[in-house]
Amino acid sequence: GAVVSQHPSWVICKSGTSVKIECRSLDFQATTMFWYRQFPKQSLMLMATSNEGSKATYEQGVEKDKFLINHASLTLSTLTVTSAHPEDSSFYICSAQGQGVFSSYNSPLHFGNGTRLTVT
Amino acid sequence: AQSVTQLDSQVPVFEEAPVELRCNYSSSVSVYLFWYVQYPNQGLQLLLKYLSGSTLVKGINGFEAEFNKSQTSFHLRKPSVHISDTAEYFCAVSDPQAGTALIFGKGTTLSVSS
Repeated sequence: GAVVSQHPSWVICKSGTSVKIECRSLDFQATTMFWYRQFPKQSLMLMATSNEGSKATYEQGVEKDKFLINHASLTLSTLTVTSAHPEDSSFYICSAQGQGVFSSYNSPLHFGNGTRLTVT
Repeated sequence: AQSVTQLDSQVPVFEEAPVELRCNYSSSVSVYLFWYVQYPNQGLQLLLKYLSGSTLVKGINGFEAEFNKSQTSFHLRKPSVHISDTAEYFCAVSDPQAGTALIFGKGTTLSVSS
């Protein structure tokens, strides 16, 4: 079945530094990828939608200059948390939707295993 | 905009007992509905989905859900739970007319004890 690989699974960084999280679709081409953020004991909040080759669409309240999203290829999207601060500590999850046999809602979105970011 | 309400934040049950996790969504227009399970520090795994057709949907691990349009509900059920079912469960909805992103409920923690 379709697999989405997210890396790293956890990262600790110092305040003020930047962190890049990768999301790869391993056996399908992901035309659309979604980035979610999850606070402890809370639901997933959609941060942005990225389509390959175009600028990401950010949800209201999400700072696009702080959370840089790049979707340069059909198998890779990256989320960079710039100048991270402790309040950015969270669990970030990507999901991918493909084209071809995995497209449309007849196949579900495929989720990565998430990245635990801790900013000290 | 679509929204999802999971009525119970925590559901404690004993092993082999039946369980129902409740989910209501906001709109009566055509929607797609999903249930996902999340184990600690992991991503989401799809349990089942409703796109169209039969209102009773069967998923993995013995779970099923029933779509009720008049009550705008999509409750998840399992007749006999196991310790291994202990996890966080999320109901999600999407509006086919508004793109493919999912809107999630706040989740229900299912705790199964012996």
